[in-house]
Amino acid sequence: DADVTQTPRNRITKTGKRIMLECSQTKGHDRMYWYRQDPGLGLRLIYYSFDVKDINKGEISDGYSVSRQAQAKFSLSLESAIPNQTALYFCATSDQTPGQSSYEQYFGPGTRLTVT
Amino acid sequence: DQQVKQNSPSLSVQEGRISILNCDYTNSMFDYFLWYKKYPAEGPTFLISISSIKDKNEDGRFTVFLNKSAKHLSLHIVPSQPGDSAVYFCAASAWSNYQLIWGAGTKLIIKP
Repeated sequence: DADVTQTPRNRITKTGKRIMLECSQTKGHDRMYWYRQDPGLGLRLIYYSFDVKDINKGEISDGYSVSRQAQAKFSLSLESAIPNQTALYFCATSDQTPGQSSYEQYFGPGTRLTVT
Repeated sequence: DQQVKQNSPSLSVQEGRISILNCDYTNSMFDYFLWYKKYPAEGPTFLISISSIKDKNEDGRFTVFLNKSAKHLSLHIVPSQPGDSAVYFCAASAWSNYQLIWGAGTKLIIKP
């Protein structure tokens, strides 16, 4: 079984709809992240959480919200989807132990979201 | 303004030859650099990393070189194999931040 899972894998929705993307992990990591990938732009950080009570905005948080329901679950919501939120969304986790391993992030398979 | 740049969107290399992927950065506070590999329909997977206190790190066929004065790093794959065909991302982080800043990626195609 995959260590980091994302649901759904693909989603098509209409402008103005609310949508939630879910992420679960079995790695036991405290840190979780949400990224979006757009062609030619690499990955950009939307939100990150260093533990259940710690949630922080990333580079491009406008139009998104998150919920850390448990150590293993981190959800991303689009309150009112718009077409320029069409992208590939990735969830990732990392270890909190200080040192090299803290930099390495483990990714889910991604959710391809299309907003029409 | 992109702090991490991969200026080659794609690279084609003959099987068995060396593949060299390049990455430039602008932020002198970056002190840890990583390379990730991504296949279609999968998330990125960690490949190799290097701390700013080193100028080279090797792991099997993969070697990363860091030139701090030029703010440049490169990933060498020798010999290149068909399974190396993927998109390669360079990422960087500033000390104790643990947030990664990503390049746009380079698509590597290994020709038989």
